[in-house]
Amino acid sequence: EAQVTQNPRYLITVTGKKLTVTCSQNMNHEYMSWYRQDPGLGLRQIYYSMNVEVTDKGDVPEGYKVSRKEKRNFPLILESPSPNQTSLYFCASSFSTGNTGELFFGEGSRLTVL
Amino acid sequence: GQQVMQIPQYQHVQEGEDFTTYCNSSTTLSNIQWYKQRPGGHPVFLIQLVKSGEVKKQKRLTFQFGEAKKNSSLHITATQTTDVGTYFCAGPTSGGSNYKLTFGKGTLLTVNP
Repeated sequence: EAQVTQNPRYLITVTGKKLTVTCSQNMNHEYMSWYRQDPGLGLRQIYYSMNVEVTDKGDVPEGYKVSRKEKRNFPLILESPSPNQTSLYFCASSFSTGNTGELFFGEGSRLTVL
Repeated sequence: GQQVMQIPQYQHVQEGEDFTTYCNSSTTLSNIQWYKQRPGGHPVFLIQLVKSGEVKKQKRLTFQFGEAKKNSSLHITATQTTDVGTYFCAGPTSGGSNYKLTFGKGTLLTVNP
């Protein structure tokens, strides 16, 4: 089954404790992206990747890092989480370069930073 | 920067009534996509419009792309409880990178059975 898998789905952590949200897709997509969703603000892009070893900032990259060492994986790293990073995070992938093709979203990861 | 605005933010209807959400961009879009997110779920792609003035239908859903490619609409005829969710439009960011997709803030549709 074609899917985008995120882990963990739910996480409560404390300020400053490094964490990684993993994202994996099995569709051989070149494009992958991370979004955060907050009430009243919709979906905002954090980082995206057009292919292996190619990443770029989205609209709200501060406090986040990403890497793309393999085509299927695109982890989101929070080196020192803060409460304002409490949010619902979605990973998405696309066969094409992101703005001309359908985005497939993961189930989401709800993160709470205390 | 480019903005994609959606109205209304919320819409509550009686089952069987029609529903429309509107999307407006501050710049011309090369294409526009629509997504639906059920409560507690993730966004799911509905459709992409590319041509000026394009109209596409999916059963009770009708999607339009404006002649100037700066606005779009999604119309649902005779809503059902299964239509409940948030509907997002999304358009590619103009200028700079071509790989950013800017989402509107969405319209939350609730349907009273």
